[in-house]
Amino acid sequence: SAVISQKPSRDICQRGTSLTIQCQVDSQVTMMFWYRQQPGQSLTLIATANQGSEATYESGFVIDKFPISRPNLTFSTLTVSNMSPEDSSIYLCSVNSGTSTDTQYFGPGTRLTVL
Amino acid sequence: GENVEQHPSTLSVQEGDSAVIKCTYSDSASNYFPWYKQELGKRPQLIIDIRSNVGEKKDQRIAVTLNKTAKHFSLHITETQPEDSAVYFCAARLGPGGATNKLIFGTGTLLAVQP
Repeated sequence: SAVISQKPSRDICQRGTSLTIQCQVDSQVTMMFWYRQQPGQSLTLIATANQGSEATYESGFVIDKFPISRPNLTFSTLTVSNMSPEDSSIYLCSVNSGTSTDTQYFGPGTRLTVL
Repeated sequence: GENVEQHPSTLSVQEGDSAVIKCTYSDSASNYFPWYKQELGKRPQLIIDIRSNVGEKKDQRIAVTLNKTAKHFSLHITETQPEDSAVYFCAARLGPGGATNKLIFGTGTLLAVQP
């Protein structure tokens, strides 16, 4: 499977600021996704990052709050804008990898705390 | 919309016993069902998956069964060991795949294996 890295691994931010999270893959992948995992909860899909076009957002998530870039087939960023304490979560990217377009593998996650 | 229910939310077993986690899904067009294991502070890791053209799949001590008619699938862990202790998530892929490759996750099961 692909090697996926995320930066930063964790951060503590002030209310009202923004944080950009990077996801880097060691090989080209077709699909990249961004998830949120609130403390003690399951994984919720924020959006699908599309290479060369605007991301596809899930219900309840909007581009103004979570702008996403995907400039190529190995890299994507998620920005959490105008943060509030409710945005404190783990943010994970995932990718399809290998010969199967079904299988998704997760990055190590970014633990965000908003004060 | 698509929904995946997972039971039980917590499961405690004695080392060496079997553990079974069950999920149901609502979209009859779903055709891919992965299971992830998430240890504390770590990323979700794919442990086994099954596609809708197969009724059962086994990999050493873990197996997954699928009942398409009833829209149920289950994870079976035999001869449990303390290192099996983790949160387990089931998921179902919404739709036929490709551009609509997103996964819907269950709520998770905290498995505790008592030595």
